[in-house]
Formats: sequence, C-alpha cells, structure tokens
Amino acid sequence: ELKVEQNPLFLSMQEGKNYTIYCNYSTTSDRLYWYRQDPGKSLESLFVLLSNGAVKQEGRLMASLDTKARLSTLHITAAVHDLSATYFCAVDGMDSNYQLIWGAGTKLIIKP
Amino acid sequence: GAGVSQTPSNKVTEKGKYVELRCDPISGHTALYWYRQSLGQGPEFLIYFQGTGAADDSGLPNDRFFAVRPEGSVSTLKIQRTERGDSAVYLCASSAGAGASYNEQFFGPGTRLTVL
Repeated sequence: ELKVEQNPLFLSMQEGKNYTIYCNYSTTSDRLYWYRQDPGKSLESLFVLLSNGAVKQEGRLMASLDTKARLSTLHITAAVHDLSATYFCAVDGMDSNYQLIWGAGTKLIIKP
Repeated sequence: GAGVSQTPSNKVTEKGKYVELRCDPISGHTALYWYRQSLGQGPEFLIYFQGTGAADDSGLPNDRFFAVRPEGSVSTLKIQRTERGDSAVYLCASSAGAGASYNEQFFGPGTRLTVL
C-alpha cells in the first residue's frame, strides 16, 4: 500500500526564519505534487516535481525531489506571515490507477 | 470560467434528505475527481472519472453515495438518506487525464455540506 507521510504535521514559527517540511512516500514514484490550502479555501497547486533531482522555486518556497530516498522537501526561506497555510504533498503512485495519494498536511503558522 | 467550479458553495440539509452536488471541470480536462475533506484532514478520495465512465469508485463510503458524468464534462455527486457523518467539504478536481505525462489536479472551491 502506498503511504505518504508528512512531518511535521504542525509548525509554528517566527517571521524571518527558515524551515523545511518533509514528505516521505513508500513506493517508487517520480511524480510528486505540493499544494497549499488557506483556511476555509480549496487546494492550490504549488509545485509539480517530475524527476529525481527536480527543484522548483517560487518566491520564498523551494521544493525538491529525491526519488531514490523517496523524499521531497518544501523549504521556506525567511518566512513571512502570508505563507501561513496548510501544505499538502501528494504522490502519483505508478500503479495507483491515475490517482494521487495524499499526505496528511502540515499546518504552518508564521507569527509576525 | 477558467477554473473548476462547484455549486452550491454551501448546503444545509436535514438527516435523511437527498442532496446533489455539482462540479464543472476545466474545459478539455477528461479526468474528474471527487474528494471529501473533514476539518483538519487531507482530501479523502471518493471517485475518479475518465471521460464519462467511473474508472475508480473504490472511495465511495457506501451505496448511499453515487456520482455521474453523463457527457464527460459536468459531474454530479448524489447522496441519499444523508447522515450527520456525511457533513464535510466536498471537493472536485480535474486534470488533463489519461495520456498526460503527469496528473496535476486543479481543485474547485468546494461545497460545504452540513447535515443537521
């Protein structure tokens, strides 16, 4: 069974600090997705990572994928309050009948 | 519109009633997904359509839940004899579908269902 685990599940941090969210998954896959969800809102696609070593950056967020370690990271640089949200990773399992398998989400609170 | 739309945005109903939730995917997207999300949880897969057919309905919790997509575009999720435990946000997503090199899904705003 394909499992996706995120950690931490909850993170409270100060503005200006750096931190990393981890996404581990249990089977072979070279397609991983990061989404953002603001409170009371839907999910917004942030990054699509399609190969080993892929790195994508948007503003203060940078995502990377290591398919050999079955690990993706979402790094936050010099956090600002506007980045407060819940972040989900999802994996396209190679035999998942074209579904995404979702992590439980990391709730990020950035205090001004 | 350019994105996935869902109606209604909110639905309050009484236990035992029937409800329909509608999803209009991004034009040209052949794959359509229904998820359910409870507070503080990730999306829970319900059903996936490729075109008009339900390619995977393994996430539907029981036979009170049913979904259709008759023309391969708009989809309706139908819940019969609603129960309080059905209360959640129902999310719809669409993607380019089988044949695309990856499965980036685009989500609608969701329908918040409250069963009293």
